[in-house]
Amino acid sequence: LAKTTQPISMDSYEGQEVNITCSHNNIATNDYITWYQQFPSQGPRFIIQGYKTKVTNEVASLFIPADRKSSTLSLPRVSLSDTAVYYCLVGAALFGGYQKVTFGIGTKLQVIP
Amino acid sequence: NAGVTQTPKFRVLKTGQSMTLLCAQDMNHEYMYWYRQDPGMGLRLIHYSVGEGTTAKGEVPDGYNVSRLKKQNFLLGLESAAPSQTSVYFCASSMGGTWDEQYFGPGTRLTVT
Repeated sequence: LAKTTQPISMDSYEGQEVNITCSHNNIATNDYITWYQQFPSQGPRFIIQGYKTKVTNEVASLFIPADRKSSTLSLPRVSLSDTAVYYCLVGAALFGGYQKVTFGIGTKLQVIP
Repeated sequence: NAGVTQTPKFRVLKTGQSMTLLCAQDMNHEYMYWYRQDPGMGLRLIHYSVGEGTTAKGEVPDGYNVSRLKKQNFLLGLESAAPSQTSVYFCASSMGGTWDEQYFGPGTRLTVT
């Protein structure tokens, strides 16, 4: 299972674009990169998933360079409601085996008015 | 469509007492999971199920048992609660496995004194 490293915390002002980078140097060929968001006293919520290049949805963009050793979650024009913990996960389902997923401690994003 | 629900939301137990946490999902998902979240530890997988009638151990299964008699329900049992089991417990479900989008419940905050 690929180990991920992401900043423990980040601060941003409202209206700014926020980029959270996750390092995963030993990512495997079959691994996907997935990001979740967690608000206080709530369960995590899926944000976005990608394999390579760029993925965009209504909430965020995910940039993955060609070597896939890192990925960047981009949140456009953040608001106070984006204050949350963001988790980067890397892995893949194992056929017929234990499907491990590891949520690290995540990145705590604080949006400042 | 309620998604994933958990019962109860809060519980205080004395050491040695037993209890069962109930998770229910109405999305016809095959996979269900129980996680615990402790401060500074992220989420850790306790047990999971890949379908009705199946269960498997996750990362931290000791002291817990699970059952999945019906596809929509996943029960987590503590036979003899210990203070180390004080935590927030999250249930989740997904259609296609761990790396498919997981839908989380609101959590159960358990305190063992």
